[in-house]
Amino acid sequence: EAQVTQNPRYLITVTGKKLTVTCSQNMNHEYMSWYRQDPGLGLRQIYYSMNVEVTDKGDVPEGYKVSRKEKRNFPLILESPSPNQTSLYFCASSSPTGGSYEQYFGPGTRLTVT
Amino acid sequence: QQQVKQSPQSLIVQKGGISIINCAYENTAFDYFPWYQQFPGKGPALLIAIRPDVSEKKEGRFTISFNKSAKQFSLHIMDSQPGDSATYFCAASKDNTGKLIFGQGTTLQVKP
Repeated sequence: EAQVTQNPRYLITVTGKKLTVTCSQNMNHEYMSWYRQDPGLGLRQIYYSMNVEVTDKGDVPEGYKVSRKEKRNFPLILESPSPNQTSLYFCASSSPTGGSYEQYFGPGTRLTVT
Repeated sequence: QQQVKQSPQSLIVQKGGISIINCAYENTAFDYFPWYQQFPGKGPALLIAIRPDVSEKKEGRFTISFNKSAKQFSLHIMDSQPGDSATYFCAASKDNTGKLIFGQGTTLQVKP
């Protein structure tokens, strides 16, 4: 089954404790992105990657890091989480081929930073 | 700044009615305008999308109307059903770079 998986699905942590949210896709997509979803603000792109070792900032990159060492994986790293990073996070993947810009989203990771 | 503005924030419609959600964009370079549907506890999923060379696209009960000169596009849901109750996001993109700009979202409730 074609899918984007994220782990963990739920995470409660404390300020300053480094964490990583993993994302993996099995569709051989070149593009991958991270978004955060907050009430009234919609989905905002944090980082995106157009291929292995190629990443770029989205609209809200501050406080986040990413790496793309393998095509299927795109982990999101919060090196020193703060309460304002409490949010619902989504990973997505897409392909530039075939004329479709469709992004496939994972199930989300709900993060709470206390 | 918000490049894609969506309204209303919430919408209540009776079963069988028409739901209309509007979006406005600023960047004339955008060349792809999708609508995503999100159910509680799930990730967004593509519902329907349009490119600026057409003014309307219809898929079943869902229609996108696109007004290039006004830089606006809207989603119409005909014969709305309780199963359509979800959050809807408009978005815009250019050049298939993987960079999508989303609107703020609209929570739709369809009453039986």
